[in-house]
Amino acid sequence: DTAVSQTPKYLVTQMGNDKSIKCEQNLGHDTMYWYKQDSKKFLKIMFSYNNKELIINETVPNRFSPKSPDKAHLNLHINSLELGDSAVYFCASSQASGDSYNEQFFGPGTRLTVL
Amino acid sequence: AQSVTQLDSHVSVSEGTPVLLRCNYSSSYSPSLFWYVQHPNKGLQLLLKYTSAATLVKGINGFEAEFKKSETSFHLTKPSAHMSDAAEYFCVVRGPYSGGYNKLIFGAGTRLAVHP
Repeated sequence: DTAVSQTPKYLVTQMGNDKSIKCEQNLGHDTMYWYKQDSKKFLKIMFSYNNKELIINETVPNRFSPKSPDKAHLNLHINSLELGDSAVYFCASSQASGDSYNEQFFGPGTRLTVL
Repeated sequence: AQSVTQLDSHVSVSEGTPVLLRCNYSSSYSPSLFWYVQHPNKGLQLLLKYTSAATLVKGINGFEAEFKKSETSFHLTKPSAHMSDAAEYFCVVRGPYSGGYNKLIFGAGTRLAVHP
C-alpha cells in the first residue's frame, strides 16, 4: 500500500560507476520530483516531471538524467559517480492544480554512498 | 526571492514539556508556508500548512503553527512533547508558481530530541 516507493533503499558503489534509482507512485498523481538531501540534511529540488514532461531542471550536472516512462514512474540515472554524489535522494509526487498547492508525498529515500 | 531560516539546528526537550521550533521567512509576496517532519530513515511527512487563511494552523499529532506577518515568523509548537516526536523538522516556503510546478524551498532543518 506504499504511496511512493523507491528502490533500492541503500546503494553503495565505487567512483566512476553508473547507477539508477527507481521511483513509483500509486496515488494517481501527474507530477513527480527528485530531491537531494546532503549530509547536513539540506534538501534541494533537482528535477520535476509533469505527465512525463520535464518541467523543472535545477542546476544539476548532466551526469544526472531523469527518465519518466509513464506518469507513475520517475527514474534517476547517474553516470560516472563522484564522491560528492553521496546523499539521500528522495522522490515525491503531487497532483498539479494550477496555482493551488497540493501536498507533495515523499518516498522513503535512497541512501547513496560513493566510495 | 523566497527563503526560510530555521533559527535552531538542535532542540532538546523533556517528555511532557512544550516544544518550540522557530522559523523566519522571507518572501516578496504573501507566502505559503509548511512544516514537514522526517523521522529517522523515513521520508518527509506534511505536518501542517499555511495558505493565507487562518493565521493559527493546526496540524497532525498535536502540532500547530502561527503565521505572524509583522515578525515574518512561522514557529511550530506543541504543548507537550512525546518521545515519538523526536525527528528532523523542516520549515518550507512555496516558491513562485512557474510552469505548473510548486517549487518548495526548504530550511536547513531542526533536530528535535525528546528525553524521558
